[in-house]
Amino acid sequence: EVQLVESGGSLVQPGGSLRLSCVASGFIFANYDMNWVRQAPGKGLEWVSFISGSSGHIYYADSVKGRFTISRDNSKNSLYLQMSGLSAEDTALYYCARETLREGLHHDFDHWGQGTPVTVSS
Amino acid sequence: SYVVTQPPSVSVAPGKTARITCGGNKIATKSVHWYQQKPGQAPLLVIYYDSNRPSGIPERFSGSNTGNTASLTVSRVEAGDEADYYCQVWDSRSDHWVFGGGTKLTVL
Repeated sequence: EVQLVESGGSLVQPGGSLRLSCVASGFIFANYDMNWVRQAPGKGLEWVSFISGSSGHIYYADSVKGRFTISRDNSKNSLYLQMSGLSAEDTALYYCARETLREGLHHDFDHWGQGTPVTVSS
Repeated sequence: SYVVTQPPSVSVAPGKTARITCGGNKIATKSVHWYQQKPGQAPLLVIYYDSNRPSGIPERFSGSNTGNTASLTVSRVEAGDEADYYCQVWDSRSDHWVFGGGTKLTVL
């Protein structure tokens, strides 16, 4: 069974930093491209970042570029999101999501974790 | 970057057909994916590549994509279909995934 379990979310002060993790199981993690998607309270889905299976391709939403860093450790079946310069606008539930395995890049998200909450407030 | 627009809400009576649209410039040249999200749950893929259903998704869910509008159609709507629905496309010009703002489907 495919599982994605996020952790690391917490209450952090404006300007602070946080590192989110997503541990995968039930599939060969290294073969899959992964994404972070966030959802502010009562709002819609916002894509945050993409990383290919080999980490050779990495992309960021404009709203987080320069402040967030996505990475992965395939030996640990883990995906990470290092966040810095946090502001209230970053308050959201952060999901990791797996892209369906197909040829090429950029496919639908066939599995999602349950999310980890990040609250930025003083 | 590319923008996709969804109506904030759609209402339908049980047993009827609901159509949720996703508008974007020449969206037919892109592949559109659709997700269902119920309160307190993670999104669930219901349609991929415009019109394909993942295993386990009822045949009542279908999709199309022509011109400037992609659509998710839910036939014979049930109370359990009440949820938020999001469309998604890949914008190759900006290398960004783009989600629509979401449509709340209400079953009357």
